[in-house]
Amino acid sequence: GAVVSQHPSWVICKSGTSVKIECRSLDFQATTMFWYRQFPKQSLMLMATSNEGSKATYEQGVEKDKFLINHASLTLSTLTVTSAHPEDSSFYICSASHPAGVENEQFFGPGTRLTVL
Amino acid sequence: QQQVKQSPQSLIVQKGGISIINCAYENTAFDYFPWYQQFPGKGPALLIAIRPDVSEKKEGRFTISFNKSAKQFSLHIMDSQPGDSATYFCAAGSGYSSASKIIFGSGTRLSIRP
Repeated sequence: GAVVSQHPSWVICKSGTSVKIECRSLDFQATTMFWYRQFPKQSLMLMATSNEGSKATYEQGVEKDKFLINHASLTLSTLTVTSAHPEDSSFYICSASHPAGVENEQFFGPGTRLTVL
Repeated sequence: QQQVKQSPQSLIVQKGGISIINCAYENTAFDYFPWYQQFPGKGPALLIAIRPDVSEKKEGRFTISFNKSAKQFSLHIMDSQPGDSATYFCAAGSGYSSASKIIFGSGTRLSIRP
């Protein structure tokens, strides 16, 4: 149980275009989802916390107008990278908290590799 | 400001040996300390986690040692196997809510030599 999926697993886009990444909790309802960014050989950096039915809370330094997050249902959160540029190329990972699970425990998706040309 | 400091950056251990990774934190409000394992191109997976009310937790070959006064905790992998070769992240969080954030350490690339 507690499986989180992401789609797509990888995406290549042209500079200036927008890309949407989906994060789904497959076998549980997640009231909270988290979005992270990971550059090669670096740690995971939290971008934002997403709560179902409310606006996302962004970490300091993350542009909310560039990284649009929508948590429309208890099983789906989306991250849209708007007007993507090469510096946005990264590994984007989402996680979800299981409401009946161990407190604080987050279940991570497999990640989405974004390459902006 | 790095809230969770992790060392070493990389580690090579012979098969069957003990792998030890250390972390230190600054924020005394942290009360949840998980360790994650990540393989290339994959998302991290929870290995083991500890709360500050105990000094040690063991699950199979993985043990967390926790020193509250020193604000340090470590991961010990006993009888290390080639399949353990991965990047390991310590992390820290506070509160008991499913919405609580966690902060990751910088990671340790572990290689187990056959």
